[in-house]
Amino acid sequence: DAGITQSPRYKITETGRQVTLMCHQTWSHSYMFWYRQDLGHGLRLIYYSAAADITDKGEVPDGYVVSRSKTENFPLTLESATRSQTSVYFCASSSGGNNEQFFGPGTRLTVL
Amino acid sequence: GESVGLHLPTLSVQEGDNSIINCAYSNSASDYFIWYKQESGKGPQFIIDIRSNMDKRQGQRVTVLLNKTVKHLSLQIAATQPGDSAVYFCAENGLKGGADGLTFGKGTHLIIQP
Repeated sequence: DAGITQSPRYKITETGRQVTLMCHQTWSHSYMFWYRQDLGHGLRLIYYSAAADITDKGEVPDGYVVSRSKTENFPLTLESATRSQTSVYFCASSSGGNNEQFFGPGTRLTVL
Repeated sequence: GESVGLHLPTLSVQEGDNSIINCAYSNSASDYFIWYKQESGKGPQFIIDIRSNMDKRQGQRVTVLLNKTVKHLSLQIAATQPGDSAVYFCAENGLKGGADGLTFGKGTHLIIQP
């Protein structure tokens, strides 16, 4: 049982480039989430999705785009990366909006 | 805005002692709370949760207490072990009743002294 996976685990890119972080879950959870984790800010919600083709903004959505064409995948795209987007990104999923969330291992992104 | 916070950033305890990690929340509309454990280089891992219709919930070596009167949440870890060293986050289900993800506190780093 693979659970929830993220790829790549580490990524270095340059300012202005487009970057896509992948998230895949094998539980058929309806809800999926993207968080970023920074020192001093803890975990902050970027975007979430309640089901395929349904997405909504979280606390810090600017500069990010998401899609959910399939239930199991929830990619996060930085259309034009900025240094302020250097962070650790976590994907999570849950069976309901008010249920426990399961987190992936994270992607450490560095924007030079 | 309302947010979840923690009283102490670092807690150091002796191996074998009990640990208590505290969390204060200000969103009176939150009805679901979770404690997560995050080890270095890993994603947060669920420990225990509690809904607002309960005051206490026990798991294996862990207990969560919820005091809605003073908006306080605590995590008690019995007989602390070296493997308990991690950052612990409390989280609440936010203003919209859970559909918009969780709001996390800043975290408490639990250090186990041998």
